[in-house]
Amino acid sequence: AQSVTQPDIHITVSEGASLELRCNYSYGATPYLFWYVQSPGQGLQLLLKYFSGDTLVQGIKGFEAEFKRSQSSFNLRKPSVHWSDAAEYFCAVGVNSNYQLIWGAGTKLIIKP
Amino acid sequence: GAGVSQTPSNKVTEKGKYVELRCDPISGHTALYWYRQSLGQGPEFLIYFQGTGAADDSGLPNDRFFAVRPEGSVSTLKIQRTERGDSAVYLCASSFGTQETQYFGPGTRLLVL
Repeated sequence: AQSVTQPDIHITVSEGASLELRCNYSYGATPYLFWYVQSPGQGLQLLLKYFSGDTLVQGIKGFEAEFKRSQSSFNLRKPSVHWSDAAEYFCAVGVNSNYQLIWGAGTKLIIKP
Repeated sequence: GAGVSQTPSNKVTEKGKYVELRCDPISGHTALYWYRQSLGQGPEFLIYFQGTGAADDSGLPNDRFFAVRPEGSVSTLKIQRTERGDSAVYLCASSFGTQETQYFGPGTRLLVL
């Protein structure tokens, strides 16, 4: 069965420090992969997506993610976090011709001043 | 243009009552999706519309849940005989097609007392 695992429920980093959020997926076919961010009171916003091609994907707000097929991973990175990045981050895989997204449980990012 | 809108933003009801949750997608988007997000979890797929028809309703938890999209635009998620376990945030998303990004609304927070 398809699944997405985000092993870290919470991550705390200092402002200006680098960030990596982990995501592992289980899916038999070539995956469509997504990272979304959810801020309190706001809807889910797409940060970046991987469909095919270059395995290093650039997104909005300075985020990037790398697809590693051998590790079934799609980790999200940012070189220097800002206080405004504090939010919950969700990784998802698109199945059934991409109309159905299977989601991880999310990682809550806390920024220390 | 405007994003996906959902009304009401919050709904409190009593066990056994009937509720309707409305989703207004982005103009021109033919695909519409409903998800449910319980506390501390990622969204869970409920149903997908392509135009007016429900292309996949396999995520609806039981026959108390029903959704319509009569004119291929606005959709209503209907829950009969609500139960406390139905309490969650109900998210709606839309896209131009299934290969395109899903854009999410802010959600309706349903509380069943």
